[in-house]
Amino acid sequence: AQSVTQLGSHVSVSEGALVLLRCNYSSSVPPYLFWYVQYPNQGLQLLLKYTTGATLVKGINGFEAEFKKSETSFHLTKPSAHMSDAAEYFCAVSRGNNAGNMLTFGGGTRLMVKP
Amino acid sequence: GAVVSQHPSWVICKSGTSVKIECRSLDFQATTMFWYRQFPKQSLMLMATSNEGSKATYEQGVEKDKFLINHASLTLSTLTVTSAHPEDSSFYICSASVERGYGYTFGSGTRLTVV
Repeated sequence: AQSVTQLGSHVSVSEGALVLLRCNYSSSVPPYLFWYVQYPNQGLQLLLKYTTGATLVKGINGFEAEFKKSETSFHLTKPSAHMSDAAEYFCAVSRGNNAGNMLTFGGGTRLMVKP
Repeated sequence: GAVVSQHPSWVICKSGTSVKIECRSLDFQATTMFWYRQFPKQSLMLMATSNEGSKATYEQGVEKDKFLINHASLTLSTLTVTSAHPEDSSFYICSASVERGYGYTFGSGTRLTVV
């Protein structure tokens, strides 16, 4: 069984400040980990993913995340927040890269960026 | 590449009527599609996994007779909400697994309002 916990349903930062969105997972097999962003009334857009290899993963829009197996974490960071980063962010885990593997989502974190 | 087109983006229907939501993979073949439901300010909950040419696999608690899923071709999956009630009002999102290791791509979602 898999599960994802996102600490903090709401995170507020000032424009230009560091963004840190936390994600912890549990998985009985080596996980595939994803971060998605959702804007109001829209679907999900992939920010980045970890499958195997390098544990520091760089994504779009300046985001990156680091897979830490010992901490079962996959926190999302961005050095400097932009107003356009305000959105809902979801961390997700899957069992592998077969087409039939479903995604399990965390509860989401709403990022607010103050001017 | 790897685009999933979901229609309609929003729909209002009367109680007791049925609504069909379509998801098409535009530039790839989706052997597996996933249907999610999202309540306001909440995460995505998997409803069912749709496999081309076979019956969908529903998650526990999802009424298969109410939420009919058809995946008759490699590029089209449909979700029909039958005899809709106001409590079925929600945001429905489809997703497809693209290719091994790539990840998942999502439709833009359908906002269903039952009045």
